[in-house]
Amino acid sequence: AQKITQTQPGMFVQEKEAVTLDCTYDTSDQSYGLFWYKQPSSGEMIFLIYQGSYDEQNATEGRYSLNFQKARKSANLVISASQLGDSAMYFCAMREGRGFSGGYNKLIFGAGTRLAVHP
Amino acid sequence: NAGVTQTPKFQVLKTGQSMTLQCAQDMNHNSMYWYRQDPGMGLRLIYYSASEGTTDKGEVPNGYNVSRLNKREFSLRLESAAPSQTSVYFCASSEVDRVVGQPQHFGDGTRLSIL
Repeated sequence: AQKITQTQPGMFVQEKEAVTLDCTYDTSDQSYGLFWYKQPSSGEMIFLIYQGSYDEQNATEGRYSLNFQKARKSANLVISASQLGDSAMYFCAMREGRGFSGGYNKLIFGAGTRLAVHP
Repeated sequence: NAGVTQTPKFQVLKTGQSMTLQCAQDMNHNSMYWYRQDPGMGLRLIYYSASEGTTDKGEVPNGYNVSRLNKREFSLRLESAAPSQTSVYFCASSEVDRVVGQPQHFGDGTRLSIL
């Protein structure tokens, strides 16, 4: 069974510093995708970044990068130059690749990490 | 550029009442999903619709029914609401794809309280 583990219930960081949010996953599939979503206090879910299991390079999107260590089954989110607006819940999610002939895109979510950015 | 629209945003029900949560997307996506989010937990899949005309159970389907009305709309119905169904409900949509990289796009959520 696939599983996502986020071991940090809460993190804090000083404004302008970098922070790493941990995510480990468990799957027996060779093809899978890893996603990070941000949920601000207003409640919406915002897609941040994606990493495919066959991607050789770590994904980057602006100040977000994904530190993908396949052998360790970890997909940590790195936020550089933190801003006050980065304060939010962050969720790691995984989708397995098998059985998608019908276009089924099931995501399994971790419990989330609450990030607080301090001025 | 609405994306995924959910109605209502807030609702309070009494135990045993029924209601339907509405979801519509304007991105021409084939797949749609309903999740619930409980405190301290990530999102859990209730039902999904891979394409128009099909629906399937997710991880926590008990107590819910869904209808894929057309390509744009996917509704979630609580037939007899229970306090355990107090939660935040999210609708999402995505492209059909044969690879894993398509992100799901979420609505703003419906906060539902069952008294």
